[in-house]
Amino acid sequence: EVHLMQSGAEVKKPGDSLKISCKGSGYDFPHSWIGWVRQKPGKGLEWMGFIYPGDSDIRYGPSFEGQVSISADKSISTAYLQWSSLKAADTAIYYCVRRTLGGSYFPHWGQGTLVTVSS
Amino acid sequence: SYVLTQAPSLSVAPGQTARITCGGYNIGLKSVHWYQQRPGQAPVLIVSDNGDRSSGIPARFSGSNSGITATLTISSVEAGDEADYYCQVWDDGSDLHVFGPGTKVTVL
Repeated sequence: EVHLMQSGAEVKKPGDSLKISCKGSGYDFPHSWIGWVRQKPGKGLEWMGFIYPGDSDIRYGPSFEGQVSISADKSISTAYLQWSSLKAADTAIYYCVRRTLGGSYFPHWGQGTLVTVSS
Repeated sequence: SYVLTQAPSLSVAPGQTARITCGGYNIGLKSVHWYQQRPGQAPVLIVSDNGDRSSGIPARFSGSNSGITATLTISSVEAGDEADYYCQVWDDGSDLHVFGPGTKVTVL
């Protein structure tokens, strides 16, 4: 059974750095795209980007290029989402998602990581 | 970048049929996927590739793509269907994924 286990909730101050994680299990981690979806409070879903851990190929959504960094460590089947300087506008739930091989949808989602940025 | 449109909200009485639409340029040429998100929960894929229901999803949920709009139909609506519903496509021109803004379904 495929499972995506995300790291716990974070409370940070503006300007702080942060790296959240998502550990995949139950499938061939290096050879499946894994990525991130943002959901701001009371708002819709936004695709941020994803990575193919096998060769570290990365795609970013247009609103997120240069704002976040996506990475993965295939040796421990874990993907990461990183900020160098958080803003209050980054307050959101971040979901880890896995895309199917050869597909264009996300059948597997993590439980979400709530990131709160407040002074 | 590719843009999807959805009505913000829809109200339906129990037992009636809810039709949730998703629009976009030449959407008929794309595979449309649908997700259900109940309050406080992560989204769940309910229909993929226009009309393939995910395992465990009741047959009351069906999807179609006419070419002008894609539609998620919920027949015999139940109270438990109250949720936000999002459509999603992959834009092969930009190699990016896009979500619609979501439709909040309220069961009266």
